[in-house]
Amino acid sequence: NAGVTQTPKFRVLKTGQSMTLLCAQDMNHEYMYWYRQDPGMGLRLIHYSVGEGTTAKGEVPDGYNVSRLKKQNFLLGLESAAPSQTSVYFCASSYPTSPEQFFGPGTRLTVL
Amino acid sequence: AQSVAQPEDQVNVAEGNPLTVKCTYSVSGNPYLFWYVQYPNRGLQFLLKYITGDNLVKGSYGFEAEFNKSQTSFHLKKPSALVSDSALYFCAVRRLGHTGKLIFGQGTTLQVKP
Repeated sequence: NAGVTQTPKFRVLKTGQSMTLLCAQDMNHEYMYWYRQDPGMGLRLIHYSVGEGTTAKGEVPDGYNVSRLKKQNFLLGLESAAPSQTSVYFCASSYPTSPEQFFGPGTRLTVL
Repeated sequence: AQSVAQPEDQVNVAEGNPLTVKCTYSVSGNPYLFWYVQYPNRGLQFLLKYITGDNLVKGSYGFEAEFNKSQTSFHLKKPSALVSDSALYFCAVRRLGHTGKLIFGQGTTLQVKP
């Protein structure tokens, strides 16, 4: 099993450009999450999903959109990137009945 | 407001010595508590969790954590540190019935010197 995978691993954008980050999991998890990690701030939840076709806002949702069209995939979109979105983005997934989350390797995004 | 605090940005220990990484939380009710570790340029790896029961929880790689309800703390410990334990450690809490959402502390860098 690959677990949780994320593509791309690295990306550099110019201000105003758009992009989509893809998260895929092969563990048949119902719940999926997108976090951003910034120095000294831990991980902060951007959006999450409790099942196919459903999404909800987390702690820092502004400037991001998500979609969960298939159970195994969770997409994070930036419509108009800003330098403040320079960060490392992590996807995670879990079962509803099991409290621990499984994390992907991360995507390092730089917005110039 | 819910929060998790890791009061030390960095902890330095010598190899073979015991280590403690501190975590306190402020969450209503009875939360689930977690420790994750992050090695350079890697994702987070689950170390251990506290749900209920014995206050001393054992996890991966010889780590353990002690839950103290009265002090709202969940400190990570290891009796004998290894250089390979050097990494970034995160404490996290999840409120019961809140769709799995985790609240993370800011992280503590553990540096184990030979």
